[in-house]
Amino acid sequence: AQKITQTQPGMFVQEKEAVTLDCTYDTSDPSYGLFWYKQPSSGEMIFLIYQGSYDQQNATEGRYSLNFQKARKSANLVISASQLGDSAMYFCAMREREYGNKLVFGAGTILRVKS
Amino acid sequence: EAGVAQSPRYKIIEKRQSVAFWCNPISGHATLYWYQQILGQGPKLLIQFQNNGVVDDSQLPKDRFSAERLKGVDSTLKIQPAKLEDSAVYLCASSSKGAIQYFGAGTRLSVL
Repeated sequence: AQKITQTQPGMFVQEKEAVTLDCTYDTSDPSYGLFWYKQPSSGEMIFLIYQGSYDQQNATEGRYSLNFQKARKSANLVISASQLGDSAMYFCAMREREYGNKLVFGAGTILRVKS
Repeated sequence: EAGVAQSPRYKIIEKRQSVAFWCNPISGHATLYWYQQILGQGPKLLIQFQNNGVVDDSQLPKDRFSAERLKGVDSTLKIQPAKLEDSAVYLCASSSKGAIQYFGAGTRLSVL
């Protein structure tokens, strides 16, 4: 089974609107972490936000928030007030305590922000 | 604070040739990672170093790939001989005490 599933190959959003990028994960490890990275066309992976499995509250970082639903094993990224510079590839990733610091990535979702 | 540095940014070689990539992690980061990202996919871990020791190289094709991290700082990833399927972006990342991994800009390799 896929560890990380991102079902949306591509998404469009109007500038200044909010958008949700989906991520579901599969693990039996009770201790894990979930990450979102942004990869613009330049190629660098930029860390956006982190959620630990034991964190009680959803993580937020500026315009980014993570909608963590543990029972559903989902960790969706919400970007509020989209900007043209948000156009990029977005990857969801998971780290399991059993496997140390190794990150396993999903296939990614490409986001295009329209003006 | 300087980020993760990688060079070269681009490399084009012919199959069966050798190639090397260099990575300088963020200062003070003990853990260094090399990932391979094939077009249209997420990155896949090739090897992880803790200081200058290998923690995980289970997905490194050891018949052709090698990596070293001398003195626990810079690292070099080598491919010899290269195959067509090695065409990918090679990303280096570093982290401090198992926290967030920070990535470099990557090296885009094309094998012809």
